[in-house]
Amino acid sequence: AQKITQTQPGMFVQEKEAVTLDCTYDTSDQSYGLFWYKQPSSGEMIFLIYQGSYDEQNATEGRYSLNFQKARKSANLVISASQLGDSAMYSCAMREGPGNQFYFGTGTSLTVIP
Amino acid sequence: NAGVTQTPKFQVLKTGQSMTLQCAQDMNHNSMYWYRQDPGMGLRLIYYSASEGTTDKGEVPNGYNVSRLNKREFSLRLESAAPSQTSVYFCASSEWGRSTDTQYFGPGTRLTVL
Repeated sequence: AQKITQTQPGMFVQEKEAVTLDCTYDTSDQSYGLFWYKQPSSGEMIFLIYQGSYDEQNATEGRYSLNFQKARKSANLVISASQLGDSAMYSCAMREGPGNQFYFGTGTSLTVIP
Repeated sequence: NAGVTQTPKFQVLKTGQSMTLQCAQDMNHNSMYWYRQDPGMGLRLIYYSASEGTTDKGEVPNGYNVSRLNKREFSLRLESAAPSQTSVYFCASSEWGRSTDTQYFGPGTRLTVL
């Protein structure tokens, strides 16, 4: 079974609107971390946001927030007030702890339309 | 701090040639990783090294070997390159063991095998 599932290969959003990128995960561990990364067309992988399995509050980092629904095993990324520079590939990942492997989804390509 | 560095950035090989991809990190991380990224498949783990002196296979290790030279450096070797190994290769590092710790990525190596 896939550890991380991203079901949206591509998404479009109007500039200044909010967008939600979906991510579901599969683990039997109690302790795990969930991560989102951004990969612009230049290719580098940029860490955006982290959510711990024991965190009761949803993580936020500027315009990024993580909608964490533990019972549903989902960790959706919400980008508010989209900007043209947000156009990129977004990947969801999980790390089971204590452990050293990260599991990545197939990514969602986001295009922001002016 | 340079973070994670990789060399080379681009490489073209002929089938059967060998080469080594170099990776170094200056963040004093214990764990290091090699991934490949292919269109539509997300990041797939080739090998990882949880700490200096140890290496473990990931999801797609066939055709590759690794060496953890010291705490800073982790190299990936292709002994006899095949067209199926055409991909973008990323090196990453992280702290060991805690699910809270993210990975930091190098800029990637774009490899083409003819």
